[in-house]
Amino acid sequence: DTGVSQNPRHKITKRGQNVTFRCDPISEHNRLYWYRQTLGQGPEFLTYFQNEAQLEKSRLLSDRFSAERPKGSFSTLEIQRTEQGDSAMYLCASSPIPIQYFGAGTRLSVL
Amino acid sequence: GNSVTQMEGPVTLSEEAFLTINCTYTATGYPSLFWYVQYPGEGLQLLLKATKADDKGSNKGFEATYRKETTSFHLEKGSVQVSDSAVYFCALSQEGGSEKLVFGKGTKLTVNP
Repeated sequence: DTGVSQNPRHKITKRGQNVTFRCDPISEHNRLYWYRQTLGQGPEFLTYFQNEAQLEKSRLLSDRFSAERPKGSFSTLEIQRTEQGDSAMYLCASSPIPIQYFGAGTRLSVL
Repeated sequence: GNSVTQMEGPVTLSEEAFLTINCTYTATGYPSLFWYVQYPGEGLQLLLKATKADDKGSNKGFEATYRKETTSFHLEKGSVQVSDSAVYFCALSQEGGSEKLVFGKGTKLTVNP
């Protein structure tokens, strides 16, 4: 068990560019979550997968955001046409309920 | 909707002092309650949990009791160490559906030698 892995750890991009983050969950976990954490705040839920099916999306997940989990293994979160307000830490978690195990996150800075 | 309110930080204590971080929640039914800890540069780690009323979660000297009557889940430790310096998050999840976590804003704890 190597834990939840997220790549890259840091991403700096210019406004308007597209970015993609990857999450590799703990292998036997069929639930996968994405959260966003801004400075001084707790993580906020973005979306949830059970195996390959995306079953819930937050209103925070605008049209510019898309997430996938092909074959129920790793997941990607893509942000198109990034805005400065997208600057945050993006966290992935995998789970056998009720406990969620978090990765170290990807810190996005949009200049 | 569901929500979690945590004691505002930051909290600064001397080593061996007693710690309390208050947490109250709003939810329908009987959520599960959690405390997560985030050390500098690391991901969130589960510290303890309680899944029903009157349950006490405990780990590494930390304790919290699920109080349904006061909708609270306060974190306590009798004697803090420098290594406990971190940000602590209270969270809840509702059984059924995604069971997503709803977090408080976090409380930063600094323990001085």
